[in-house]
Formats: sequence, C-alpha cells, structure tokens
Amino acid sequence: EAGVAQSPRYKIIEKRQSVAFWCNPISGHATLYWYQQILGQGPKLLIQFQNNGVVDDSQLPKDRFSAERLKGVDSTLKIQPAKLEDSAVYLCASSKTETTNEKLFFGSGTQLSVL
Amino acid sequence: SQKIEQNSEALNIQEGKTATLTCNYTNYSPAYLQWYRQDPGRGPVFLLLIRENEKEKRKERLKVTFDTTLKQSLFHITASQPADSATYLCALRNAGNMLTFGGGTRLMVKP
Repeated sequence: EAGVAQSPRYKIIEKRQSVAFWCNPISGHATLYWYQQILGQGPKLLIQFQNNGVVDDSQLPKDRFSAERLKGVDSTLKIQPAKLEDSAVYLCASSKTETTNEKLFFGSGTQLSVL
Repeated sequence: SQKIEQNSEALNIQEGKTATLTCNYTNYSPAYLQWYRQDPGRGPVFLLLIRENEKEKRKERLKVTFDTTLKQSLFHITASQPADSATYLCALRNAGNMLTFGGGTRLMVKP
C-alpha cells in the first residue's frame, strides 16, 4: 500500500514570507497528524484531525499557523508569516483511527529553512 | 507537568552487543507505550507497542519492557548490527489521547 505522501521535500524562505505544506495520508486512514520536529528533538504535535474535524490544536501557534483537511483526506499546513524559529521538519502522519493503541505512519517530512 | 525523557546523549556500542535505551515519563498514566525508529531525513517508523499489563514484549531481536511503577520503559536490541544505527523514540498518549514523543536517543553501532 502507498505510504503517507508529503510535498515539497524541502523549502527555503525568508522570514515574514508564507509557506504551505501538503499531505496525502494512507487511503482509508481517518486520523491525520501534523508534527513539528526541530533538529535534535522529538516530534511535537501541532494538530490532529479525525476525518475533517479538528481533535486537538492546542499546540498550534494560531496567530501564524493554520491547517485544514477538506473532505477528510488531504491536508495542508500553512505558516504566515514565517519566523526564524519555524525552521524545522514538518511531519505528517496518519492512523486508521484515533484509538489509544493505534500506530502512526509517517511521511518523510518537509524540511523548512527560514532565513 | 508531563514529561517524557530519553537519554539525549548518543549511545555508542560495538556490533554484536546488546543496546539498551531508556524512556522515563512523569505525570502520565499510559495504557500503552510505543517505540519508533527514525533514520536521518526520514519520518519515524513504528516498531513495537506494549500494554500497561504486559511486562515484556519481543519482536525478533527487539525487546521492550514496561514498568508502570517505575514509570519507565526499556528498549533492548540484541546482537546489534551497524544497520540498527538510528534514533529511537518512545511515545505515549496523554490524557487528551494525543501521541507525545520523547526527545529520542541516537544509537551508533560500530563494526
């Protein structure tokens, strides 16, 4: 089966610019996650969707970050305007459901550099 | 506050030896604990899940223990190989069912 697809693979922007990341989860997976991973740290959950509804976005900096999952399939994560501290890898993951014992399947991520 | 702590220093071992990685947590009451492997430039890959009522779980050369009294999980790789070199992450669901990761431990297996 196809894995989680993310694009672009790399992105370099200047601070105050905007950027968008795209994710296509594994077919049939109801739950989609966006994580931010700063170099040398573990992934930090930004937002979790169940179908097209938001389950948790408590760690999403809502003044600059936004995410949507239209039709409960693909998702986009946007940053506007970007700051230097947003430089990180943005990982998308999906799981069949949101039950506590579900394992996550991750994409390869988008590496963002903000100059 | 809730914390998941893994040794941030890299673990260097010789090929053939057993690698043991530690995951400690505070202010969680997890029913499950998961371990993932992450290679450079890639997303984490699921390895094992252990339930709170399981003391030990094995999969090929991997063994995970889960001590809810000590609030600790140990991850063992026996007969380690250079191909096992990667960063290993433990993860728990918090009260809101969000999967939260530790900082990861980098393992280097030298031939």
